[in-house]
Amino acid sequence: QVRLQESGPGLVKPSGTLSLTCAVSGVSIGGTDWWTWVRQSPRNGLEWIGQVYHSGSTDYNPSLRSRVTISVDKSKSQFSLKLTSVTAADTAIYYCARDVGGAPDPWGQGILVTVSS
Amino acid sequence: DIQMTQSPSSLSASIGDRVTITCRASQDIRNAIAWFQQKPGKAPNLLIYAVSKLQSGVPSRFSGSGSGTDYTLTINSLQPEDFATYYCQHYYNNPRTFGQGTKVEVK
Repeated sequence: QVRLQESGPGLVKPSGTLSLTCAVSGVSIGGTDWWTWVRQSPRNGLEWIGQVYHSGSTDYNPSLRSRVTISVDKSKSQFSLKLTSVTAADTAIYYCARDVGGAPDPWGQGILVTVSS
Repeated sequence: DIQMTQSPSSLSASIGDRVTITCRASQDIRNAIAWFQQKPGKAPNLLIYAVSKLQSGVPSRFSGSGSGTDYTLTINSLQPEDFATYYCQHYYNNPRTFGQGTKVEVK
């Protein structure tokens, strides 16, 4: 059974860097799937952040590209999200997911990240 | 970016009803659409991909149709566990974008 689990700080200061990790189990992160980050907020709904392949190739949402980095660590079977220069607008539930031919499935349970001083 | 416009934003229905939710893309997305169900406090769950392919474990009362820019999710004979919010998402290109959601509530 494929499982994903997000971890990281639930509170980040404005202008700081949001850093999250997604642990993958039940499937090889080095397979044929892409690995995705999505966030959800009342303000913006569901927003696709970007994705990474095990080779390190990435695709990012242009609206976030200047601030986001997604990376993969095959040895630890995990991938990570870094978002710099955060503001209150980045407050959201962050989900990681496996991208199966375009559709995210399954999703992790999500982690609420609040940007506040 | 491709805009996904879902309608209605909410609807009230009874057990046993047939429910239809539509999603209109701002351009042809060549059948690259998925539908998700989300319950409060939970992550979205994939129901359908590629217009009409049911994800494993999804009841057959869920179905999808459409082409070009217009797509539909249908729930036949609504069950108590189906009261939730539903989202469409295109994956024709990047960035993938989602509809704003349709909340299905008890009438």
